[in-house]
Amino acid sequence: QIQLVQSGPELKKPGESVKISCKASGYTFTDYAMHWVKQAPGKGLKWMGWINTYTGKPTYADDFKGRFVFSLEASASTANLQISNLKNEDTATYFCARFHNNWGSFDYWGQGVMVTVSS
Amino acid sequence: DVVLTQTPVAQPVTLGDQASISCRSSQSLVHSNGNTYLEWYLQKPGQSPQLLIYKVSNRFSGVPDRFIGSGSGSDFTLKISRVEPEDLGVYYCFQATHDPPTFGSGTKLEIK
Repeated sequence: QIQLVQSGPELKKPGESVKISCKASGYTFTDYAMHWVKQAPGKGLKWMGWINTYTGKPTYADDFKGRFVFSLEASASTANLQISNLKNEDTATYFCARFHNNWGSFDYWGQGVMVTVSS
Repeated sequence: DVVLTQTPVAQPVTLGDQASISCRSSQSLVHSNGNTYLEWYLQKPGQSPQLLIYKVSNRFSGVPDRFIGSGSGSDFTLKISRVEPEDLGVYYCFQATHDPPTFGSGTKLEIK
């Protein structure tokens, strides 16, 4: 069955970096784009951007340009999100989600990774 | 960016009754290819969001027929008939017609 399994929770200090992984299984990884979604504690969902899993080309929402990097380990069917120079406002749960192009929707989601930034 | 306005913010409901959630867009969600990429997601407490409805009215695999999506242009509705305990959580509409994709602010379905 199709699964997106994300890495575990992270506790970081301001200024540090974090790398979150999202391992896909049950389908051909390069057939579907991978998107990233942020959810701050008690808040709604915010689209961060996506990566073309065939070409590796990332696209970032305006609020996520600069410190955020999407990357792939295609041989391992894994998408990664790296955040550098962490700030308190980066404290959130980060979800990866597979995008079904024909439907224009996220049909499968990872379980989410809670990143806590605190001094 | 397209703004999706969901109402109500919270929807108290009696189990077994019907609930209705509105999602209005700041501009038409009809894509140049003729499709309307308006989706509905449910996020249950402590869980990831899950896809309920895609392209306005198509139920995702395994979604009960109690969930009905409708609407056109910039005005959309999700109706849930005979609400069950597992339907409780926060519902989000989402549009993928215009770049960047955007989510509504959410509607919490809760027990009255």
